[in-house]
Amino acid sequence: AQTVTQSQPEMSVQEAETVTLSCTYDTSENNYYLFWYKQPPSRQMILVIRQEAYKQQNATENRFSVNFQKAAKSFSLKISDSQLWDTAMYFCAFMRNTGNQFYFGTGTSLTVIP
Amino acid sequence: DVKVTQSSRYLVKRTGEKVFLECVQDMDHENMFWYRQDPGLGLRLIYFSYDVKMKEKGDIPEGYSVSREKKERFSLILESASTNQTSMYLCASSALGQGGHEQFFGPGTRLTVL
Repeated sequence: AQTVTQSQPEMSVQEAETVTLSCTYDTSENNYYLFWYKQPPSRQMILVIRQEAYKQQNATENRFSVNFQKAAKSFSLKISDSQLWDTAMYFCAFMRNTGNQFYFGTGTSLTVIP
Repeated sequence: DVKVTQSSRYLVKRTGEKVFLECVQDMDHENMFWYRQDPGLGLRLIYFSYDVKMKEKGDIPEGYSVSREKKERFSLILESASTNQTSMYLCASSALGQGGHEQFFGPGTRLTVL
């Protein structure tokens, strides 16, 4: 089974600052997909960003970007210019190229401080 | 606007009761999933289904069963609820096949078993 590790259970950041959430994973696959999901308090989980392992270029979505290090099996999420509504639980997830199942990390609770 | 809906946001049941959690998606997705979410444990897959009447066990299927009679509906059944099944239950759906399709999540059902 694939394992996904998020080693930071809780983090905080000042509004307008930058924060990086870490994620590592373990796999013997060469082709796969990685995701970051966001779950705001009492709200639905939504996709933040997605990365294909065969693409060397790091994915970006507005203020969100990833640092994908395939050899190190690391997939960190950087949030720039943090906003109050970025306060949420963030989950890293892995998906094999040949499957449909996600493997989730244990999550990082991020609080943006005014 | 794509949608995954769950029948209840909050549910309180007694030990030994039979509990049904319903999930409906309107995206014509083949895959549907049931997770439970517990603090410090992240999301753990209970069951998933890739077609009508098809089901696969996830990582923690004990004490649960599922039903998928129609493509858009996936039900999670607790045959005899126990207190250790108190949790948040999340339903998700995704398109079938390779390509790293994202999963779309419902709002969750917080189940308390007394």
